[in-house]
Amino acid sequence: GAVVSQHPSWVICKSGTSVKIECRSLDFQATTMFWYRQFPKQSLMLMATSNEGSKATYEQGVEKDKFLINHASLTLSTLTVTSAHPEDSSFYICSARDTKGVENTEAFFGQGTRLTVV
Amino acid sequence: AQKVTQAQTEISVVEKEDVTLDCVYETRDTTYYLFWYKQPPSGELVFLIRRNSFDEQNEISGRYSWNFQKSTSSFNFTITASQVVDSAVYFCALSEPYNQGGKLIFGQGTELSVKP
Repeated sequence: GAVVSQHPSWVICKSGTSVKIECRSLDFQATTMFWYRQFPKQSLMLMATSNEGSKATYEQGVEKDKFLINHASLTLSTLTVTSAHPEDSSFYICSARDTKGVENTEAFFGQGTRLTVV
Repeated sequence: AQKVTQAQTEISVVEKEDVTLDCVYETRDTTYYLFWYKQPPSGELVFLIRRNSFDEQNEISGRYSWNFQKSTSSFNFTITASQVVDSAVYFCALSEPYNQGGKLIFGQGTELSVKP
């Protein structure tokens, strides 16, 4: 199946610093990628939809200035957590769909990034 | 609004027992897709099945089977003869049509614990 690679798999950063997470589709092109956040023992909550070449669409309640998304190519989307605080500590996971015109494909997920802000 | 409900937060069974994980969904779309994912402790999501709204055939894959009942908006997942390796959190998800964005709405998840 298609592969989505997410990097890093875990990161520890100091409060106030910024962290960038990369999501790459390795063997297919993805016009659209999705970013989710999962707190411990909770479900995955969609943060934003990343569209190649255009601005991301953020879900209600997600601060677009804090969670910067860039989707500069058909195989790469990045999420930057700016001025991270301990409450941003979470598991972040991206997904991508192959956009070769087949509608009912499953969304392939990256391995996830566990962010800890100290 | 779209919604997925997994009423069972935690289930604990003994190895070799059968277990059914419930999933109920809400949507106004006539075309939609339903998914099940497994999330082991590592965190990575493992795709299990995709079903579109026009295909109500039940499916069996090894020890796994799925029952899609459009009339009751349910998409239940059964593991037959459970094994310890089945221990994980299982998520049911609903996808809006791809031409409307295609995002996934996840249920709350069911944590399955299979004891030896």
